Amino acid sequence: DGGITQSPKYLFRKEGQNVTLSCEQNLNHDAMYWYRQDPGQGLRLIYYSQIVNDFQKGDIAEGYSVSREKKESFPLTVTSAQKNPTAFYLCASSIQDTEAFFGQGTRLTVV
Amino acid sequence: RKEVEQDPGPFNVPEGATVAFNCTYSNSASQSFFWYRQDCRKEPKLLMSVYSSGNEDGRFTAQLNRASQYISLLIRDSKLSDSATYLCAVMDSSYKLIFGSGTRLLVRP
Repeated sequence: DGGITQSPKYLFRKEGQNVTLSCEQNLNHDAMYWYRQDPGQGLRLIYYSQIVNDFQKGDIAEGYSVSREKKESFPLTVTSAQKNPTAFYLCASSIQDTEAFFGQGTRLTVV
Repeated sequence: RKEVEQDPGPFNVPEGATVAFNCTYSNSASQSFFWYRQDCRKEPKLLMSVYSSGNEDGRFTAQLNRASQYISLLIRDSKLSDSATYLCAVMDSSYKLIFGSGTRLLVRP
């Protein structure tokens, strides 16, 4: 089946630890995105990538890092520098300037 | 000023009502526009893209006003199942896709 897969669905992290969230798509989409959503809030853009080996910071990139070594994959690392990482993380992809489609999200909780 | 702004609501309407949402954007170079629906604790799902000429999909109508930099969504004959949060999204020429904070709709029996 074609789609966007995020894993894991739920993730628990101890304070001070880095953690990497996976996002894979087999839709042959060029652009990929990472968003953070806090309860009752909208989606805030963390990073986005238009093509392989290139990515840009979004509005809240501090404390996060990404890579885009393959077209299909856009992993997000939440570093220890992110002071309040507990949130719902959503990955999306699109064909250039067309609509974006989302994975099911990863709920990260710091314990 | 936020790049994309929406009234957070909630809009509380009876079944069968017509309800309209507006969304304003600040970047005049924005190229593509979308409405998404998000159910509680789920990922957003595309409702419709918004074209310059306006477009309709069943009970849903979307319009774009480039001069005033806003997009709108009209829902006619509201159903209970329409209760959700509606997010507008705007994409610029570098494919940066920004979402509004969403408008919550509650349709009551």
